[in-house]
Amino acid sequence: NSKVIQTPRYLVKGQGQKAKMRCIPEKGHPVVFWYQQNKNNEFKFLINFQNQEVLQQIDMTEKRFSAECPSNSPCSLEIQSSEAGDSALYLCASSTTGDTEVFFGKGTRLTVV
Amino acid sequence: GEKVEQHESTLSVREGDSAVINCTYTDTASSYFPWYKQEAGKGLHFVIDIRSNVDRKQSQRLIVLLDKKAKRFSLHITATQPEDSAIYFCAASKGNRIFFGDGTQLVVKP
Repeated sequence: NSKVIQTPRYLVKGQGQKAKMRCIPEKGHPVVFWYQQNKNNEFKFLINFQNQEVLQQIDMTEKRFSAECPSNSPCSLEIQSSEAGDSALYLCASSTTGDTEVFFGKGTRLTVV
Repeated sequence: GEKVEQHESTLSVREGDSAVINCTYTDTASSYFPWYKQEAGKGLHFVIDIRSNVDRKQSQRLIVLLDKKAKRFSLHITATQPEDSAIYFCAASKGNRIFFGDGTQLVVKP
């Protein structure tokens, strides 16, 4: 069973507002992933970290999101100015390396109104 | 980059029958293939995985087969139960990235 904890479970924001979500990875997991799952169940990779360092991120994340994974604090993903198209389930996952079991949290469901 | 295709978008079986979900991938460098289950409105639940150094793995009623030559892998659920009903996602992992299929909605009818 996954021990990745995501908060909040639900988030409602107006367009243009900031939207911040948090993730506590499993203990001992240095690799953290964020994915966006849309209403069609399609996954979009957003960013990954190893320890506190960003490994990869897509353009959208670089331009519109702020993400970090500080030591001894939850990881966070923040949309700087929410848009209607950002409404989705945001999933955080962690693993020991990218090629071992990757466990997901329950997600934060963001609705932008 | 890697592209994972999941062949069945929906699958309906009778309770007790077997269900098979098939996936293909494109990048021979992918070496780890997890499967996830997602129930309505919930997150992803890890169910089983297989690494490229083996071609078969079983965990209770779940069997995963991997054919590296054909770049194909499949999930077999035996003796299905109504609680197996969910969306199942196959995935391929390469270099700290996971690439997902589009999901298969499995319905197990009592």
